Amino acid sequence: DTGVSQDPRHKITKRGQNVTFRCDPISEHNRLYWYRQTLGQGPEFLTYFQNEAQLEKSRLLSDRFSAERPKGSFSTLEIQRTEQGDSAMYLCASFSGKTSATDTQYFGPGTRLTVL
Amino acid sequence: AQSVTQLGSHVSVSEGALVLLRCNYSSSVPPYLFWYVQYPNQGLQLLLKYTTGATLVKGINGFEAEFKKSETSFHLTKPSAHMSDAAEYFCAVNPNNAGNMLTFGGGTRLMVKP
Repeated sequence: DTGVSQDPRHKITKRGQNVTFRCDPISEHNRLYWYRQTLGQGPEFLTYFQNEAQLEKSRLLSDRFSAERPKGSFSTLEIQRTEQGDSAMYLCASFSGKTSATDTQYFGPGTRLTVL
Repeated sequence: AQSVTQLGSHVSVSEGALVLLRCNYSSSVPPYLFWYVQYPNQGLQLLLKYTTGATLVKGINGFEAEFKKSETSFHLTKPSAHMSDAAEYFCAVNPNNAGNMLTFGGGTRLMVKP
């Protein structure tokens, strides 16, 4: 159990560019969540996967955002045509989901995106 | 729908003093409640959680929290603050629905004075 990892840790991009983030969950955790945290705020739910299926998306996830988990292991979050309002910390969380909601969601270190 | 309110975006205490961070929630069903801590430029680390059973929950680093259903509260306490406790603290609720998505409060930044 090596924990949840995210790559890159920091990303600076210019407005209008596309960016992609990667999350590697704890192995054998079948649920993976993406959250967004803006400065001075708590994390907000974006989307989650059960294995490779994307089961729910927040209204915060505009059409410019897309997430995948092709083999039920790692996940990617892509933002197209970035805007300055996309600047935030993007957090990934891993959840066993095998027993109940009492299981803990384990968070990665996050990817901090700055859009200039 | 559920929501979480953390009273006080900033709390300052002296080293060795009591720490009290407040959290109130609203939920249409009995919730599961969590406290996470976040150090600068890091992800969230679980401090403690309440699911069922004993309403006083002990966590890591000497923190504990008490679930009070009548007050819809889940306040976090620590008897004696250490400098290393300075961080951002988030209260979260899991509504125990199919998705188990966490809803977070706005966070409380704890500052510890020497």
